[in-house]
Amino acid sequence: NAGVMQNPRHLVRRRGQEARLRCSPMKGHSHVYWYRQLPEEGLKFMVYLQKENIIDESGMPKERFSAEFPKEGPSILRIQQVVRGDSAAYFCASSPRLRAEFETQYFGPGTRLLVL
Amino acid sequence: GENVEQHPSTLSVQEGDSAVIKCTYSDSASNYFPWYKQELGKRPQLIIDIRSNVGEKKDQRIAVTLNKTAKHFSLHITETQPEDSAVYFCAASTQDSGGGADGLTFGKGTHLIIQP
Repeated sequence: NAGVMQNPRHLVRRRGQEARLRCSPMKGHSHVYWYRQLPEEGLKFMVYLQKENIIDESGMPKERFSAEFPKEGPSILRIQQVVRGDSAAYFCASSPRLRAEFETQYFGPGTRLLVL
Repeated sequence: GENVEQHPSTLSVQEGDSAVIKCTYSDSASNYFPWYKQELGKRPQLIIDIRSNVGEKKDQRIAVTLNKTAKHFSLHITETQPEDSAVYFCAASTQDSGGGADGLTFGKGTHLIIQP
């Protein structure tokens, strides 16, 4: 079981560039969540997706941020025109649909984004 | 929306003693409460979780208690060891009718230090 995979692990961008973060859920998991963690802080929920559907994006900034989870391939979190305040660790989590434990979320290793 | 408060922010205990971390939540609809351990630079790892239909759950040296009336839950670690040193996060979420769960709302974390 490879677990939740994220890439890249580290990403450096200059202000105004685009950042693309990828997340491959655990095998058999159909729910993906994205969280942002600022230094010395807890994780903040951003968006919840199932295959081809955004279920809840209430935690995502209205501008510059978007997410998708296509039928094939990984989930993508896209940040356009990055600013220094976007520097953070971005974690993806996935959960199964098994009735007994569908709430449990398993986290990936995160992508550390640094905006210069 | 949900709000989770966590205390203390830092906890230092002698090796072998017990550690207790407390969290309160605001949304009475929340029904799933996981605890995550995060070591520096690593992913959050689930250590124990509890659902609202039980009041206590134990796994070896770790236990969690839930008081739905007071809307608080606690993590108890007994016989602490140096490898227990990490940041611990509590979280809360609501199971939705479609078989998935809302994104987790996290507390700000407790930095647990085990003194040898």
